[in-house]
Amino acid sequence: SYELTQPPSVSVTPGQTASITCSGDNLGDKYVSWYQQKPGQSPLLVIYQDIKRPSGIPERFSGTNSGNTATLTISGTQAMDEADYYCQTWDNNAVLFGSGTKLTVL
Amino acid sequence: QVQLVQSGAEVKKPGASVKISCRASGYTFTTYPLHWVRQAPGQRLEWMGRINIGNGNTHYSEKLQDRVTITRDTSATTAYVDLSSVGSEDTAMYYCARFNTFGGVVRGGLLDYWGQGTLVTVSS
Repeated sequence: SYELTQPPSVSVTPGQTASITCSGDNLGDKYVSWYQQKPGQSPLLVIYQDIKRPSGIPERFSGTNSGNTATLTISGTQAMDEADYYCQTWDNNAVLFGSGTKLTVL
Repeated sequence: QVQLVQSGAEVKKPGASVKISCRASGYTFTTYPLHWVRQAPGQRLEWMGRINIGNGNTHYSEKLQDRVTITRDTSATTAYVDLSSVGSEDTAMYYCARFNTFGGVVRGGLLDYWGQGTLVTVSS
């Protein structure tokens, strides 16, 4: 079965750029979305169809997807961005989530 | 505004069934499929299944397909997930979420609105 692999944790200092990867076989041939989840909250869509930002999501969030890797990039990371992040794609007629990455803003 | 409001927390004994509701408002209910996703404590998001609200067609995860049933009541703009024969491994937060393709292909779809979650605890 298809799998999406993310690093368990990423750390960044405030104001720097954070990059969170999501890997899967030929992932670049699929569409990827990204969700932010803070403790005790429901997931929030931050990137969809690889590169698009929903209304209300800050411009510092961006996405790419090529080859076997999709990447969520947060430029000028702020303390409020500390959260778990999940990638998501569509495979075999089902939604599939990545393993999740905890972003720590030091 | 779009809202998905779920029913309250449940405590179940092993072997029982649990049914959770998700009431939608702020959009045309029949236009968008609804999906169910669960998250065990400290674990990743796990997709459970979906229902096409218009025709009632469903599709379930291979892992849960023998125990999960998703239904909807269009007059009440509410979807339901029913999980049978629950065990400790089913203790989790359960979410409903609206599926949107923004007019594109299904494989480009995403979950744009989520319910607040329903905690299900399985304990003897």
